[in-house]
Amino acid sequence: DAKTTQPTSMDCAEGRAANLPCNHSTISGNEYVYWYRQIHSQGPQYIIHGLKNNETNEMASLIITEDRKSSTLILPHATLRDTAVYYCIVPMDSNYQLIWGAGTKLIIKP
Amino acid sequence: EPEVTQTPSHQVTQMGQEVILRCVPISNHLYFYWYRQILGQKVEFLVSFYNNEISEKSEIFDDQFSVERPDGSNFTLKIRSTKLEDSAMYFCASSEFLEETQYFGPGTRLLVL
Repeated sequence: DAKTTQPTSMDCAEGRAANLPCNHSTISGNEYVYWYRQIHSQGPQYIIHGLKNNETNEMASLIITEDRKSSTLILPHATLRDTAVYYCIVPMDSNYQLIWGAGTKLIIKP
Repeated sequence: EPEVTQTPSHQVTQMGQEVILRCVPISNHLYFYWYRQILGQKVEFLVSFYNNEISEKSEIFDDQFSVERPDGSNFTLKIRSTKLEDSAMYFCASSEFLEETQYFGPGTRLLVL
């Protein structure tokens, strides 16, 4: 089973920041949190990952709580093309296989 | 920007036939993976491959499945005798090292009739 829990769906207005939460309360000290998204059954697209510090790249920001039990992915200015299913994943220790949950379906509304 | 490619994008086959799905991982990557996604369901891990051998496989990856790196660039998934329930999107992924980001290809949509 996935080590993470996410809301099933969220809406966000175009141009606003989309904040997607994820709980990973059983994460261990050396495990990373990864975020991917999947647009309409296309191949999963890597977004960002982090260990304990906040991270930012050209796509998004990742805020990880100090206790590392939860994180938030932030899309700063959401566009219609950001409509997708977003997955928060903690890879399994032994072989780094990705265990996928149902993700959060993010719908960006005009 | 380097990317993982997969061919074909779509494949239709008859039940019982063999199919080979092809992937070209990112060139300096050493770890390769296959995942599948049945329509409307979660993405599922099938197998990981490193140094010309399987590192890990899931319960789904039974004797009907095999993987191979036939040359320096391709990574293939073979389904020996397809079943209706093999109909799914199959995604290949690669990473440079074990504990590194996996990058995914666009997928092959397999339909078994």
